[in-house]
Amino acid sequence: DAKTTQPPSMDCAEGRAANLPCNHSTISGNEYVYWYRQIHSQGPQYIIHGLKNNETNEMASLIITEDRKSSTLILPHATLRDTAVYYCIVGSGGSYIPTFGRGTSLIVHP
Amino acid sequence: NAGVTQTPKFQVLKTGQSMTLQCAQDMNHNSMYWYRQDPGMGLRLIYYSASEGTTDKGEVPNGYNVSRLNKREFSLRLESAAPSQTSVYFCASSEVSLTEDEKLFFGSGTQLSVL
Repeated sequence: DAKTTQPPSMDCAEGRAANLPCNHSTISGNEYVYWYRQIHSQGPQYIIHGLKNNETNEMASLIITEDRKSSTLILPHATLRDTAVYYCIVGSGGSYIPTFGRGTSLIVHP
Repeated sequence: NAGVTQTPKFQVLKTGQSMTLQCAQDMNHNSMYWYRQDPGMGLRLIYYSASEGTTDKGEVPNGYNVSRLNKREFSLRLESAAPSQTSVYFCASSEVSLTEDEKLFFGSGTQLSVL
């Protein structure tokens, strides 16, 4: 069973912020939240991860709620090249088996 | 660094033929994974190897075998290919530890068609 829930699709105007939600209500205390994206049929690419604090890197920001049951990936100024499928997964530790759902298909339009 | 390298990139097989998909990583990672992705679907785990010398079944292992040849290499074998195995196959690796992040690094994929 998938450990995360994401909307199947979203769209965003170029230059605007894209906010992609993820629900992970059964997350354990030591599990990280990871985000990946897959452009067309390429291999998925790591974007960002976090445990409990908000995180930011050159690609995106990750906002994790205080109860850790949900998170939001923010692409602050979306471009057409950000059109991709975005996956949110959770896990950590020696028994971590990365499981991907269908993700969110983000379309950035002009 | 090359990261995760998969060969071949494309392959067409006839039903019943066998083949091996190769995967190698140069990041000294302990864990390696094989996923398949069908059109419009997410990635489904076929097999994984948590460390050198160990392999375990994932969600969809039927029809496949794997070999963790050494720490760098993890191969996926189709003994008797079937049309249902037409898919894109991705290999991935990660460094598993109890305290640090375990992000995955993916190869570019192998597009396999079974006629």
